Amino acid sequence: AQKVTQAQTEISVVEKEDVTLDCVYETRDTTYYLFWYKQPPSGELVFLIRRNSFDEQNEISGRYSWNFQKSTSSFNFTITASQVVDSAVYFCALRDYKLSFGAGTTVTVRA
Amino acid sequence: EAQVTQNPRYLITVTGKKLTVTCSQNMNHEYMSWYRQDPGLGLRQIYYSMNVEVTDKGDVPEGYKVSRKEKRNFPLILESPSPNQTSLYFCASSPQGTMNTEAFFGQGTRLTVV
Repeated sequence: AQKVTQAQTEISVVEKEDVTLDCVYETRDTTYYLFWYKQPPSGELVFLIRRNSFDEQNEISGRYSWNFQKSTSSFNFTITASQVVDSAVYFCALRDYKLSFGAGTTVTVRA
Repeated sequence: EAQVTQNPRYLITVTGKKLTVTCSQNMNHEYMSWYRQDPGLGLRQIYYSMNVEVTDKGDVPEGYKVSRKEKRNFPLILESPSPNQTSLYFCASSPQGTMNTEAFFGQGTRLTVV
């Protein structure tokens, strides 16, 4: 069985604060991929990043960074210096033989 | 332009009236799937297809049917819709056998069953 848990349902911050979204996953497979997607208020799903199970390097892309720790089965996502445009629902996803999503975290960034 | 196209984007229907939501992709992807999104539950997989004529149930298949007669199309059929199928639906596609490729999603279909 596989499972993705995003424990934070909603996070509200003031602009320029950092925000970290937690993602914990479960899988029996040794080869798998992890993803983050963003869903802005307009509703579409926007791919942000993927990471395979053999690559634990952290990654930074602009104000976004990801921390993958296989030992704790976590793939956390940090937005640095948040902006109002970051307001969205963020989904963590796990793919082995199928793609499964967490429940999502709603991030609200207030001006 | 590579894309997944769903139609319609919005649909209001009555209980019991059969409907079909179409999904088409132009990327020659083998793998296609349907998800429904409900508040607090994230995206839950309804059905998926590994290739033409190969379909399988996801996590919440009850009340839905699919078919995969052509590689590019993967329609979602609700034979007798009920109010609990009111939801936001997404179709997705990706290459099969390469798990490191992200899924490409359609723009979503917001279905209301009254």
